[in-house]
This record gives sequence, structure tokens and C-alpha cells, in this order.
Amino acid sequence: NAGVMQNPRHLVRRRGQEARLRCSPMKGHSHVYWYRQLPEEGLKFMVYLQKENIIDESGMPKERFSAEFPKEGPSILRIQQVVRGDSAAYFCASSSQNGYTFGSGTRLTVV
Amino acid sequence: KNEVEQSPQNLTAQEGEFITINCSYSVGISALHWLQQHPGGGIVSLFMLSSGKKKHGRLIATINIQEKHSSLHITASHPRDSAVYICAVQANAGGTSYGKLTFGQGTILTVHP
Repeated sequence: NAGVMQNPRHLVRRRGQEARLRCSPMKGHSHVYWYRQLPEEGLKFMVYLQKENIIDESGMPKERFSAEFPKEGPSILRIQQVVRGDSAAYFCASSSQNGYTFGSGTRLTVV
Repeated sequence: KNEVEQSPQNLTAQEGEFITINCSYSVGISALHWLQQHPGGGIVSLFMLSSGKKKHGRLIATINIQEKHSSLHITASHPRDSAVYICAVQANAGGTSYGKLTFGQGTILTVHP
């Protein structure tokens, strides 16, 4: 069991480009969460998804950010027209009744 | 006031010392998590608690639901324990154990040899 897989580990984007972050949950987990860690700040919830459904997106910025978890394939966090303030570590986690498992994160740098 | 408060924010110890990190929360929860993060690294789940006490190696986690308080203890601390320790609560989610986490600000632990 490879755990929660996130890719890429590091992503550099110029202002205005799109960033796509991928997350494959642990085998058998159908609940996926995205969290963001801004520099020198704590972790903040963004969105909670199950297969083909968004359960809670109360932490997502209203514009430019979207997330999906299709029936087949990984969960995708998409950031359109990135700005420098989007530079952060983005962590994905999946859960079962027994607990949470986090991925290694994607470090996004906007230049 | 944050929903999850940790203390201390920074903790320095000598190798071998007993360490305690505290976490208080203000909301109803289905579970409380203790996480570990090394600088620039990923997040490792140490414990998930809904009551009582859990032990794994030199780590012990306790929770008091009535007082809305949890502690993480490290016995015989070692320099490799140096990391950020994060308390997170999982809100009541209709009786299920799924749901988003709300995090404390973390405790930066440095253990000197």
C-alpha cells in the first residue's frame, strides 16, 4: 500500500498560469481532503470530497480554485491564474474509519 | 479565540527529558489527532483519539472529553524527535468518523543532544 500519493512534489508556475495538483488516496479510501499551509502559518482546510461529490468546500477561495474527485483517477486541485499569494504547501489526505493519512504535499511556488 | 489552542508554541529540551504538549479545543468533536511535521516535510499521523489514552513506543496521547483537553507526552526525548507537533480536531459529523480537521498552530520542539 503506497499510501496517499501526491504529485508533483514541487511545482513552479509563473503568475497567470494554471496549477494542477494531483492526489491519489490510499487504496480503499473514498474520502479525500485538501489542506493548504501558507508560509509561516498553520494548516487550513480547503475542501472535502467523495467520489464524484464535493461534500464541503467552505475553505475554498471563491474564485480561481476548484477541486474534483472523479469516479476514475486521482483527485485534482486546480488553481487558475495563479498569483504570488498562492505559493504554499498543499496537502491531500484520505481517511477511513481508522484514521487519516496525509500525502507528502505539493510545494507550489509562483514566480 | 482559535477553536484549537496549543501550548507551548516553542519547546526546547535536553535529550532524555520528558516532554508534554497541551491542546485545548472549544467545539464538539468526534476525534482528536496528533500529527508530526518535520521542516519542509510531510505530515505524519501519530494518534487519533476519541477517549482515554493511547501509547506508541515513547509517545503517549491522552484526552479528557469533558474538559476538552488533550496532551501529547514524549518519554526519553531524542534529537530525532525535533519537529513540529500539531493538534487537530475532527468535528462531529453526524455520527460518522469522517470529516475535516481544524488545526492548532503547532508546537516547535527542539531536542538538544
